[in-house]
Amino acid sequence: KQEVTQIPAALSVPEGENLVLNCSFTDSAIYNLQWFRQDPGKGLTSLLLIQSSQREQTSGRLNASLDKSSGRSTLYIAASQPGDSATYLCASGGYNFNKFYFGSGTKLNVKP
Amino acid sequence: NAGVTQTPKFRVLKTGQSMTLLCAQDMNHEYMYWYRQDPGMGLRLIHYSVGEGTTAKGEVPDGYNVSRLKKQNFLLGLESAAPSQTSVYFCASSTLGTTASPLHFGNGTRLTVT
Repeated sequence: KQEVTQIPAALSVPEGENLVLNCSFTDSAIYNLQWFRQDPGKGLTSLLLIQSSQREQTSGRLNASLDKSSGRSTLYIAASQPGDSATYLCASGGYNFNKFYFGSGTKLNVKP
Repeated sequence: NAGVTQTPKFRVLKTGQSMTLLCAQDMNHEYMYWYRQDPGMGLRLIHYSVGEGTTAKGEVPDGYNVSRLKKQNFLLGLESAAPSQTSVYFCASSTLGTTASPLHFGNGTRLTVT
């Protein structure tokens, strides 16, 4: 079974910093890797999806990279803002959702 | 624009009691899922459905039952609640059954079993 790990569990940074969130997975035979955002008391919102044949995806201030050979993905957030404060989860797995595994998330706090 | 709606938002049960969680989606999605989220763990798939009238087991199905009598609704039942079922439950839906299709989540139901 795929194991997905996110370290650190929590991160606090001052506003304006560039930061990197890490995601590692044990099985490199993945179909894609996704990053989600979860606000307190809410469900998950999809941020970026990287197909297994791709190396990175970008959306605004967010850039996600994928290195299947090392079993790692990173989410880069540029010029962080207090509104970026949330829990960020990554998920990897196979073609179907019954083989889709989530990490436990990194709780980000961006201080004004 | 409701999306995925879960009811109730909060519930407290005593051990052995039963309850049903309701998930409704208005996006005409074929695929629906029930996940649970526990502290320090990622979301885990309980059951899922690939269309009206179908259900299948996910990673942690024991102690739960589901039904999908109508395309827009997916019900999760606990017949005899246990403290280990204390969790936050999320329903999700998607257009396709592949992980390339975006998942749309509800806001969750926080369940406490005492």
